[in-house]
Amino acid sequence: GEDVEQSLFLSVREGDSSVINCTYTDSSSTYLYWYKQEPGAGLQLLTYIFSNMDMKQDQRLTVLLNKKDKHLSLRIADTQTGDSAIYFCAVTTNAGKSTFGDGTTLTVKP
Amino acid sequence: EAGVAQSPRYKIIEKRQSVAFWCNPISGHATLYWYQQILGQGPKLLIQFQNNGVVDDSQLPKDRFSAERLKGVDSTLKIQPAKLEDSAVYLCASSHGTANTEAFFGQGTRLTVV
Repeated sequence: GEDVEQSLFLSVREGDSSVINCTYTDSSSTYLYWYKQEPGAGLQLLTYIFSNMDMKQDQRLTVLLNKKDKHLSLRIADTQTGDSAIYFCAVTTNAGKSTFGDGTTLTVKP
Repeated sequence: EAGVAQSPRYKIIEKRQSVAFWCNPISGHATLYWYQQILGQGPKLLIQFQNNGVVDDSQLPKDRFSAERLKGVDSTLKIQPAKLEDSAVYLCASSHGTANTEAFFGQGTRLTVV
């Protein structure tokens, strides 16, 4: 089955850019998502990219997809303390089956 | 619009007891998902419904877990009997469609089995 890997922790200074990386194994994955989870809350969809795209920008968020290397990244520009959370990468097949990574805990220091 | 509602928020039970979780999806959402999220891990899909039919339950431990979605709206997830390793947050999510539509998550039910 699909395997999705993320680094566990990332710490940045407020105002810096954050880059969270994700790798996956199933080349047939068609939709790739980034979710944010704050303590005690459910998952909030941040952004997504289709497999036929290389990049997507949405305000402070930039998603890059390298299909050849099966690598997905999320860049957060001008990171704020409110961005501190766990970020999950999820890859989805056409049938709608999603596999999540184990999340990257982002800590933003003032 | 109202979000995905789940209850209870927290539940503590002893091993071998039974427990049930309830989910009310967003109105009009045909697809409903139950995920298990163990501490420190990402959510793992247990079961996916399309209306009241099961699309995928390949990772549901069917000897102890069961789920139903009567009338294609609300859903319940049951564990009987519970084991210590079932301690996790159980997340319900719903979406209009499947792969290319946003899934909205509830706040989850945190289950502790002692």
